[in-house]
Amino acid sequence: QLQLRESGPGLVKPSETLSLTCTVSGGSIVGSAFRWDWIRQPPGKGLEWIGSIYYSGATSYNPSLKRPVGISVDTSKSQFSLSLISVTAADTAVYFCARRNYYGPVIDFWGQGVLVTVSS
Amino acid sequence: QTVVTQEPSVSVSPGGSVTLTCALTSGSVSSSHYPSWYQQTPGQPPRTLIYRTTTRSSGVPDRFSGSIVGNKAALTITGAQAEDESDYYCVLYMDSGSGIPVFGGGTKVTVL
Repeated sequence: QLQLRESGPGLVKPSETLSLTCTVSGGSIVGSAFRWDWIRQPPGKGLEWIGSIYYSGATSYNPSLKRPVGISVDTSKSQFSLSLISVTAADTAVYFCARRNYYGPVIDFWGQGVLVTVSS
Repeated sequence: QTVVTQEPSVSVSPGGSVTLTCALTSGSVSSSHYPSWYQQTPGQPPRTLIYRTTTRSSGVPDRFSGSIVGNKAALTITGAQAEDESDYYCVLYMDSGSGIPVFGGGTKVTVL
């Protein structure tokens, strides 16, 4: 069974960079059918897609974010990572990593999520 | 900017039926948007219910069904149970299946 696990600091100061890593186990991160997503959910609010990466390194980002975002992949470690630059309190959220199957399309596996709080 | 809208909240009696909808602020929803539906309970990641408009994910009870109704995607719960009380999110793809997924704002379903 595929598993995804987010890791990273739970507290980030305003104007700093939020960095998270998702480790994929029980399956390969390499595959033409899959995109690897970052999705977030502010406390008490809905879900927002941040962006995705293909195993080759090709990325897509949510144009609504209007801020610098970076997603990278390390296939040798079965990991992909998120960097959100110059964060504010509005970036406080639970961050989920997930697998999206192109042949749904469907987000078919989710990590448990990690709460990141932006505060000084 | 296209926005995906859902009812903020609905209620249903145990054993009853309820339909949640997923609409676009501009234009009609069709199967080409590959509607999918996710259920989320507090403190948990979302669970995949329906994808490609009507396909139930593995293990999802058949009381959950997806469709297109008019110009909206729809999720119907037939024979609602107490454990169906959750938040439900739809996702539409704006630019084919490899494109950008856009989440609706979610619907809180209360079973009472």
